[in-house]
Amino acid sequence: AQSVTQLGSHVSVSEGALVLLRCNYSSSVPPYLFWYVQYPNQGLQLLLKYTSAATLVKGINGFEAEFKKSETSFHLTKPSAHMSDAAEYFCAVIHGSGNTGKLIFGQGTTLQVKP
Amino acid sequence: EAQVTQNPRYLITVTGKKLTVTCSQNMNHEYMSWYRQDPGLGLRQIYYSMNVEVTDKGDVPEGYKVSRKEKRNFPLILESPSPNQTSLYFCASSLRASSYNEQFFGPGTRLTVL
Repeated sequence: AQSVTQLGSHVSVSEGALVLLRCNYSSSVPPYLFWYVQYPNQGLQLLLKYTSAATLVKGINGFEAEFKKSETSFHLTKPSAHMSDAAEYFCAVIHGSGNTGKLIFGQGTTLQVKP
Repeated sequence: EAQVTQNPRYLITVTGKKLTVTCSQNMNHEYMSWYRQDPGLGLRQIYYSMNVEVTDKGDVPEGYKVSRKEKRNFPLILESPSPNQTSLYFCASSLRASSYNEQFFGPGTRLTVL
């Protein structure tokens, strides 16, 4: 069965510092992986997705993620945090078996950006 | 504007009083689904629909019903709500149930059952 684990429910960084949000997946088949962001009182917005075309994926708002099969990881990074990046971030994997379209989400990581 | 809309955004109700949360998308998407979000658990799928008149259970379907009579609408029905259904609910849609297709999420409905 596929699963996603996000390490750290809360991450705090200073404005301008590197953002690193960790995600590890478990999948018996090549996964399709996603990062979503949820701003306060809003729905989820897709940041980026990995669909096996390239291991380094660039997304919106300066975020990127690298797929590492050997480490079963898909960590999200941004070189320099901005106050507007404060939000909750979810890593997700698409359920491959039977192609039901179901996204399996991690527990979420709240990013706090300090001035 | 392409979007998924949900109504109501906030709802407080009492145990046993039937309610419906509506979901509508204007993107002609075939696939729609409902998730609930609970602290520390992320989002979990309740029901999904591959197309009109085709629905199936997700991971946590107990206490919920859905229908898909029209392509654009996918209402979530709680026949007899209970306090453990207090949660934040999201509707999502995508072109098809494919690994490639981005899923678009509605703004969420915060439900409190007293």
